[in-house]
Amino acid sequence: DIQMTQSPSAMSASVGDTVTITCRATQDVNNYLAWFQQKPGKGPQRLIFGASSLQNGVPPRFSGSGSGTEFTLTISGLQPEDFATYYCLQYNNYPWTFGQGTMVEV
Amino acid sequence: DEQLLQSGGGLVQPGGSLRLSCEAFGFSFGAYDMTWVRQFPGRGPEWVASMSDVGGATDYAESVKGRFTMFRHSYNGMVYLQLNNVRADDTGVYYCARGGGFAFTPIALDMWGQGTMVIVSS
Repeated sequence: DIQMTQSPSAMSASVGDTVTITCRATQDVNNYLAWFQQKPGKGPQRLIFGASSLQNGVPPRFSGSGSGTEFTLTISGLQPEDFATYYCLQYNNYPWTFGQGTMVEV
Repeated sequence: DEQLLQSGGGLVQPGGSLRLSCEAFGFSFGAYDMTWVRQFPGRGPEWVASMSDVGGATDYAESVKGRFTMFRHSYNGMVYLQLNNVRADDTGVYYCARGGGFAFTPIALDMWGQGTMVIVSS
């Protein structure tokens, strides 16, 4: 199984900051890497797919980069509504595997 | 509007059974693989099972293989997860989601249901 290691597990940030979250895979996932945002009591929402493609309707301050085994989610100019938990997902091979999550808090 | 609406869930005793349902609205259900994901309290999501667009292929997490069964009916846009022989560590919120890995290009869960809680307890 492909293991996904996400870092950091939590971070403090302020409105306007640029935030970077990293996800590392134990093997090449062929850029089949997605990022999700989850707020308390809600289901995850997809932000990025294919490592760098922005989901329709997601603000362009969210961006994804990386390839192979190392990927990054960047939020440029953090907004109040962005305080949430973020997860990566590799969907190259079953079993699909998520990272452990990064909580972005004030 | 495109959406997935879930039903089912609730309290079940260890060793019991439960069926979760998920109804698709506003999109061509038969064109998409479908997936179930669960989330334990305070933890990240965990992939449970996926089924291909016409139901010809299915894959399961090892932790549920032999106990859970995923199936779908294209005529009514429904996908189901049958939970048998449940255990306390199956307790969590279960989501259905659109997407899967059986097509030439996998789709990574671009739409989610609202989630349904399953509690396994005596």
